[in-house]
Amino acid sequence: AQSVSQHNHHVILSEAASLELGCNYSYGGTVNLFWYVQYPGQHLQLLLKYFSGDPLVKGIKGFEAEFIKSKFSFNLRKPSVQWSDTAEYFCAVNTFGAGNKLTFGGGTRVLVKP
Amino acid sequence: DAMVIQNPRYQVTQFGKPVTLSCSQTLNHNVMYWYQQKSSQAPKLLFHYYDKDFNNEADTPDNFQSRRPNTSFCFLDIRSPGLGDAAMYLCATSRRSGTTDTQYFGPGTRLTVL
Repeated sequence: AQSVSQHNHHVILSEAASLELGCNYSYGGTVNLFWYVQYPGQHLQLLLKYFSGDPLVKGIKGFEAEFIKSKFSFNLRKPSVQWSDTAEYFCAVNTFGAGNKLTFGGGTRVLVKP
Repeated sequence: DAMVIQNPRYQVTQFGKPVTLSCSQTLNHNVMYWYQQKSSQAPKLLFHYYDKDFNNEADTPDNFQSRRPNTSFCFLDIRSPGLGDAAMYLCATSRRSGTTDTQYFGPGTRLTVL
C-alpha cells in the first residue's frame, strides 16, 4: 500500500528563518502531490499542488515545493517565515491506478516564534 | 463564494445515540469524501462517493454509513457512536478528471461523545 512520510513532527523556528519540510512517498505510478496547511482552529487549506510539468511549483503565501521523481520526494520550502505561518502542514499524495485515494502524511507542526 | 459547507460545526451526542453530520457543496464537484481526523493525526478516509457510486474503505467500521441524495449533499451517519468516535469529521469534494484530482475541504464538524 502507498504511504507518505513527513520527516519532522515538530519544527520550531524564529521569524525570518527559512523553512523546509520533507515529504517522501512510496508509489511508482502516476501521482498528484499536495501540501495542505491547517492553521489553528481552521480547516485544511490547499497550499500548492503538483500534477505534471515544471517540478518546482509555487503556492500561496510564498511557499514553494520541488518534486524530485527519482527520490519520491516533494519537499516544501519558504525562504523567510512569519509568525502567521504557525500551523500544521500535511503532505498528501493522490495515487491513480491504486485506488485513486488521497493519502496524507502524519503532519508537521510548525511553530514560528515572533 | 463556492465552498464546502458542513453542519453543524460542533455536535455533542451520547454514547450509542445515532448522529448525522451534513456536508453540502456549491462547487458542482462529482466526488465527495468523508474523513475522520483525531487530535494531532492526519485525516483518515472513511469513504467517498464518485457520482452515485459509493466506495467504502476496507477498515471503516460498519458503524459508519453515508448517503448522497444528490450532487450537492452528502451525509455521514454514525449509528451507535462510541467514545472512540469522538473526532473532527471532514468533508471534501473534488472534480475528478483523468489523472488530476484536487480535494477541497470543509471546516469540519467536531463530534463529542458523552
